[in-house]
Amino acid sequence: ETGVTQSPTHLIKTRGQQVTLRCSSQSGHNTVSWYQQALGQGPQFIFQYYREEENGRGNFPPRFSGLQFPNYSSELNVNALELDDSALYLCASSLRDQETQYFGPGTRLLVL
Amino acid sequence: DAKTTQPNSMESNEEEPVHLPCNHSTISGTDYIHWYRQLPSQGPEYVIHGLTSNVNNRMASLAIAEDRKSSTLILHRATLRDAAVYYCILRALHSGGYQKVTFGIGTKLQVIP
Repeated sequence: ETGVTQSPTHLIKTRGQQVTLRCSSQSGHNTVSWYQQALGQGPQFIFQYYREEENGRGNFPPRFSGLQFPNYSSELNVNALELDDSALYLCASSLRDQETQYFGPGTRLLVL
Repeated sequence: DAKTTQPNSMESNEEEPVHLPCNHSTISGTDYIHWYRQLPSQGPEYVIHGLTSNVNNRMASLAIAEDRKSSTLILHRATLRDAAVYYCILRALHSGGYQKVTFGIGTKLQVIP
């Protein structure tokens, strides 16, 4: 069973740029959630995708957007990067009707 | 959304049991109580979850108060590999079927050899 993988592991961008982060779900998992974790804080829910549609969102602006593909892999896109977007971005996959989420190792984004 | 309150940090000696408390006084009747832990430089890892009854698995036990306003994660014998940040979270099932999970800052557990 393949776990959740994310790419890239680290990324440096400058303010105003756009970034795309990628996530491959655990085999068979049809739901993916994205989280932002600032240094010293717990993960904050960004949004969740199920069957290629966003079906839940946290308190993040529209410049945070995502996609889920037919193979259940996912992307997180962030436009017009701000310094405060520097964080660890985590994706988690799950089956829709099950309790457990499986997290990837995260992508660490630094915005200069 | 219901919130959880945990101590910022705790210490335990290796090989001894650890009781990690969590308060969730505003929990609703359909909220599940989940515990995840995050080792340094890794994503969170599922530990255990429950609704009303106490739960046991190979990693830990979860004791839930009768009024469900608090819970305790029990590690029966702490090892150095258990040093991590432990998050107590409530899983709320919102309309549309999505599962929102809200993390606090967690409890940083230090295990002393």
